[in-house]
Amino acid sequence: DAKTTQPPSMDCAEGRAANLPCNHSTISGNEYVYWYRQIHSQGPQYIIHGLKNNETNEMASLIITEDRKSSTLILPHATLRDTAVYYCIVVSLRGGTARQLTFGSGTQLTVLP
Amino acid sequence: SQTIHQWPATLVQPVGSPLSLECTVEGTSNPNLYWYRQAAGRGLQLLFYSVGIGQISSEVPQNLSASRPQDRQFILSSKKLLLSDSGFYLCAWKLRQGATEAFFGQGTRLTVV
Repeated sequence: DAKTTQPPSMDCAEGRAANLPCNHSTISGNEYVYWYRQIHSQGPQYIIHGLKNNETNEMASLIITEDRKSSTLILPHATLRDTAVYYCIVVSLRGGTARQLTFGSGTQLTVLP
Repeated sequence: SQTIHQWPATLVQPVGSPLSLECTVEGTSNPNLYWYRQAAGRGLQLLFYSVGIGQISSEVPQNLSASRPQDRQFILSSKKLLLSDSGFYLCAWKLRQGATEAFFGQGTRLTVV
């Protein structure tokens, strides 16, 4: 599975957009980009995922570059409750089946009042 | 709907004592199951994953073992705990097929004293 690189920490002002980058330069064609977040002392929560196209749901938007070597998670209007560690991971589907789910260190996003 | 149960929420065990953490999933069949450990202030470390009953893949050689005696039951064990086994243990499940998300339990905070 491709590895990911994220900045260790970021700050964002409340009400502004939070843009969290992720580098996955070794991603291959059958690998999806997933984003999760973990609020302190809780289990991680799924946010969004994508393969090639940009994706949007009620929580966030995912922008994947055309070469798929990097992506950006966008929280359009960050709130204090969005303070968490955000993980970008790459998941390989071989024959439609997933196996390992390997997480890195993530980005600690702090939303400031 | 699917749910994942993980217990206990907190556990304090002496060095050298055995460990058994249980995770059960409801509302789905043939899931992939995962055990993670998170040291204080660190990212998620994948310990074991399972794609079926009796099928366990170990990601990191260590003092722990895992078993899957039933389709929706995943157990993490140790015969003799070490101080370094302290941490936050998380269980997760994911549908085996397709680009779907993983669901995490609420975790067990283990302190070895």
